[in-house]
Amino acid sequence: DTAVSQTPKYLVTQMGNDKSIKCEQNLGHDTMYWYKQDSKKFLKIMFSYNNKELIINETVPNRFSPKSPDKAHLNLHINSLELGDSAVYFCASKRGGASGTDTQYFGPGTRLTVL
Amino acid sequence: AQRVTQPEKLLSVFKGAPVELKCNYSYSGSPELFWYVQYSRQRLQLLLRHISRESIKGFTADLNKGETSFHLKKPFAQEEDSAMYYCALSASNTGGFKTIFGAGTRLFVKA
Repeated sequence: DTAVSQTPKYLVTQMGNDKSIKCEQNLGHDTMYWYKQDSKKFLKIMFSYNNKELIINETVPNRFSPKSPDKAHLNLHINSLELGDSAVYFCASKRGGASGTDTQYFGPGTRLTVL
Repeated sequence: AQRVTQPEKLLSVFKGAPVELKCNYSYSGSPELFWYVQYSRQRLQLLLRHISRESIKGFTADLNKGETSFHLKKPFAQEEDSAMYYCALSASNTGGFKTIFGAGTRLFVKA
């Protein structure tokens, strides 16, 4: 059974388009994250949600908008895609609230390519 | 400033040789440190955390507060250890904690 799943796995699109990546976890975790892994494999946090509430919002262009319809889902919508948005985006979740330091469980990643 | 530094982008060793992946951190509070691993075509997963003081797949890591280091070690590397390794620090942030990842070290174990 998949713990943290993301769709789609691959996404190829043109500059200027709007796209969404979905994330779902069936672990009953309270906190979810979005990370961006660039071409040099550097992994950087983008957002964190706890029980549908935004906790962490790093310096990310406001073209990126996370949406959490419930605590099991955290979707990432990206407007006006740019070449520099090409990366692998990882969703993750963890037990407990934002103040905890529990292990994070990662999704398989979504490889976004902007042409 | 909160920071995790992995000085080596690539580490190449022969099978059976000892391996040490370096990690240094900068954090004024009490650190919570992790090592995550990403095997080829697989998702990122936790390898070990310092608070557990455990050995996973032969790997160990000791927190050295004096040197602000959390190096990952294995006495005899195996080919299946080839992967991308990330050191991570859980640091307090407004509203909670966030995990800061190092840039990662690619370990390549040669036959």
